[in-house]
Amino acid sequence: DTGVSQDPRHKITKRGQNVTFRCDPISEHNRLYWYRQTLGQGPEFLTYFQNEAQLEKSRLLSDRFSAERPKGSFSTLEIQRTEQGDSAMYLCASSRGDRVTDTQYFGPGTRLTVL
Amino acid sequence: KQEVTQIPAALSVPEGENLVLNCSFTDSAIYNLQWFRQDPGKGLTSLLLIQSSQREQTSGRLNASLDKSSGRSTLYIAASQPGDSATYLCAARSVGSGNTGKLIFGQGTTLQVKP
Repeated sequence: DTGVSQDPRHKITKRGQNVTFRCDPISEHNRLYWYRQTLGQGPEFLTYFQNEAQLEKSRLLSDRFSAERPKGSFSTLEIQRTEQGDSAMYLCASSRGDRVTDTQYFGPGTRLTVL
Repeated sequence: KQEVTQIPAALSVPEGENLVLNCSFTDSAIYNLQWFRQDPGKGLTSLLLIQSSQREQTSGRLNASLDKSSGRSTLYIAASQPGDSATYLCAARSVGSGNTGKLIFGQGTTLQVKP
């Protein structure tokens, strides 16, 4: 396993701009999750994919957010018209499946700063 | 709705001390509970996963216990070292979340081990 990778690691943008993050899960992991973490808090669930299907979205994911996982491989998270409140660490995780013994493996995260 | 709480938010101990980190959850209907470590500005590293049918799990100097009836889990670190300094997060996978596998995180306990 090469681990979960995320790109970019850091992104600074101006309010109103669009940004896109990429996550490459561990190969052969069917599940892919996105979480958001603000300073001093634990991660909060945003959305998840089973292969290429996006099966649940949190209320935290406003209409400005969209996520895809084409072909069930890598995933992208796009934020349109960024706001200062979007500043956070965006974490991606993957797991082999949905068994209760399946651990989620996290990537290093993308830190977004909206000026 | 599942809520996970970790107290204290921060802890400082001298090297060599044994310590206990606490995690409490409001809904005892969980599939499992996981403990993660997070270094500053980094992603999460899974430490231990305890299934709902288990009482404890051990890995090296770490021991995690689970008491569903009281809604509590503890992470015991033996003979602490400066390299153990990090934020420790617990996360519950609730039955109420269905098949999503999403984790509900506590706010974390930031541990500092002084040489």
